[in-house]
Amino acid sequence: KQEVTQIPAALSVPEGENLVLNCSFTDSAIYNLQWFRQDPGKGLTSLLLIQSSQREQTSGRLNASLDKSSGRSTLYIAASQPGDSATYLCAVSSPADFNKFYFGSGTKLNVKP
Amino acid sequence: EAGVAQSPRYKIIEKRQSVAFWCNPISGHATLYWYQQILGQGPKLLIQFQNNGVVDDSQLPKDRFSAERLKGVDSTLKIQPAKLEDSAVYLCASSLTGVQFFGPGTRLTVL
Repeated sequence: KQEVTQIPAALSVPEGENLVLNCSFTDSAIYNLQWFRQDPGKGLTSLLLIQSSQREQTSGRLNASLDKSSGRSTLYIAASQPGDSATYLCAVSSPADFNKFYFGSGTKLNVKP
Repeated sequence: EAGVAQSPRYKIIEKRQSVAFWCNPISGHATLYWYQQILGQGPKLLIQFQNNGVVDDSQLPKDRFSAERLKGVDSTLKIQPAKLEDSAVYLCASSLTGVQFFGPGTRLTVL
């Protein structure tokens, strides 16, 4: 069974800092990996999707990388802003389980003004 | 394009009562998911539909939870009877090409 781990569980940084969030998974046979943002009391918003054949995806100040062989993905946030404060979740889909998605527990990010 | 709709947004019930949640996915999305998210944890898949057929319900507590998607569009998730540990946010998501789009969720409190 696929297990997804996110480290750290919480992170507090000053505004303007560049930061990296980590996601690791135990089974490298994935279909895709998706990064989400969740604001308190809200649903999940998709940030980036990386197909298994891709190495990275970029959207604005966000860059996500994927290394299937080591079972890792990173989400890089450049020039962080207070509005980036939220919980960031990664999810991997497993073709062995009908592309079922497995989620990590998330990293709670606080960007201080 | 309208997003995934869910109702109600909040529900408070007493243990042993029943409750139902409704989800309307994005138009044309064949895959629909119900997740349970307990505070401080990531979402856990309860059931996955492909059109009106069940693809995966391995983590659905079938003695008390049920879900249906009769016409391959909207879906309902029911809990009967509810237990204290069912207090969570219930999220619905839909997908067409593997990218998941989530609704706002229903926050359930069981007293």
